[in-house]
Amino acid sequence: QSVLTQPRSVSGSPGQSVSISCTGTTSDVVNYNYVSWYQHHPGKAPKLIIYEVTQRPSGVPDRFSGSRSGNTASLTISGLQVDDEADYFCCSYAGAHSWVFGGGSKLTVL
Amino acid sequence: EVQLVASGGGVAQPGGSLRLSCAASGFSLKTYPMNWVRQAPGKGLEWVSNIRTTKEGGMAYTDSVKGRFTISRDDAGNSIYLQMNSLRAEDTAVYYCATDLNWAFDRWGQGTLLTVSS
Repeated sequence: QSVLTQPRSVSGSPGQSVSISCTGTTSDVVNYNYVSWYQHHPGKAPKLIIYEVTQRPSGVPDRFSGSRSGNTASLTISGLQVDDEADYFCCSYAGAHSWVFGGGSKLTVL
Repeated sequence: EVQLVASGGGVAQPGGSLRLSCAASGFSLKTYPMNWVRQAPGKGLEWVSNIRTTKEGGMAYTDSVKGRFTISRDDAGNSIYLQMNSLRAEDTAVYYCATDLNWAFDRWGQGTLLTVSS
C-alpha cells in the first residue's frame, strides 16, 4: 500500500491533455513544497520531470506541468505524444530526510 | 559522460547479506546528499535510505529496513554503498541510487536487481 494515492491508469490520444492526481496528507503533500514527479519507462532509470510542486528541470518540455490544491498534487501533460507512454510516479518529502511515493500511474497514449 | 552506475545485485538467501555499490562518473558526489530507491516486481517506487553530505552528516532509513541496512559514502572514491543484512523475500527489488537536489531525486543510476530466495 503506497502512502500517496494515484490512479492506476490514465489514457489519452495524441495531442490531448491528461492529468494525473496524487493525494497525500498533512504529513507530506500539504506541509512540504517538495512534491516531485518522475517518468519511468520500464527497464530504464526514472527521470525527474517536476520538482518543488511546479518546477521543471532543464530540458523537460513545458508540456509537463505540476500543481497542487490542498492535499492533492497533479501532473498535467499537454499535447500528448506517443513517447509520453510510461509510468508516472509522484513523490513527496515527508520530513526527517524521508520521502514517500505514490503507487504509480500507467499512461497509455491511444 | 555524467552517470551513476549501480552494481552488486544478485541472488541472496533469506537471512543473508549483500552490499550494493553506486559509482558516479563525470561529476563529484561529494556535494550531493544521496539516496537508494527500490522497486519490487510489479510494484511502485519506494524510498529506502538517504545519506547527507559528509559535511552535514546523518543518514535516514525507511522503517522496514531500519536495523538491517546501512548506507555509507566514500567521497574520495566517488561512490555510495548499501550494506544489506538479514535479507527478506520482500527486499527483492531493483535498487536505484539517486542524487538529491532540491529535495527531489535528480539523477538516477540504471538500477541493480536483488533477488532474495532460497
